[in-house]
Amino acid sequence: SAVISQKPSRDICQRGTSLTIQCQVDSQVTMMFWYRQQPGQSLTLIATANQGSEATYESGFVIDKFPISRPNLTFSTLTVSNMSPEDSSIYLCSVEHLYGYTFGSGTRLTVV
Amino acid sequence: KQEVTQIPAALSVPEGENLVLNCSFTDSAIYNLQWFRQDPGKGLTSLLLIQSSQREQTSGRLNASLDKSSGRSTLYIAASQPGDSATYLCAVRTSGGSNYKLTFGKGTLLTVNP
Repeated sequence: SAVISQKPSRDICQRGTSLTIQCQVDSQVTMMFWYRQQPGQSLTLIATANQGSEATYESGFVIDKFPISRPNLTFSTLTVSNMSPEDSSIYLCSVEHLYGYTFGSGTRLTVV
Repeated sequence: KQEVTQIPAALSVPEGENLVLNCSFTDSAIYNLQWFRQDPGKGLTSLLLIQSSQREQTSGRLNASLDKSSGRSTLYIAASQPGDSATYLCAVRTSGGSNYKLTFGKGTLLTVNP
């Protein structure tokens, strides 16, 4: 199975600023997934990132708010733009492999 | 649209007890089902993956079963320990085309008391 390194693990940010979250995978994967987990809620898929093409966003999520980069088959970033307190959540990246899905350790974001 | 429900939402048991967590899903056309554990403020740790053709999977004190026709899965934890305290999430990957999305339940918060 894959191992994912996700950074930062947590951050406290001012409203109106942006935060970029990075995920590095120890093997090449076709698709990477970005999830949001709001306080007390389960995971919601934000977008699917394929290398060399635009990310595919789920309903309710837009590229201007959550731009994603996927420069190669082992790396992806998610930016949370123009943040508001409502963006306070845990953000997780994920990849699929033969043994199911592996998740990064998560980024706990607090917007003040 | 796939919906996943987990019951109970929270469970508190004494150490050593055997317990069962339940997961149900509305669309039986699944590719696989995965159980995860999440510690507070952390990412997800995969526990067991059951393919749609399988009935159960076991790992140590954990056993997960799948009844696709009835849309149900259970996670059985034997001889629970305080270290088992966490939120347990069930996730279903629905089969068909390019639908790689996982649908998660809201989880069961388990507390094992010493």
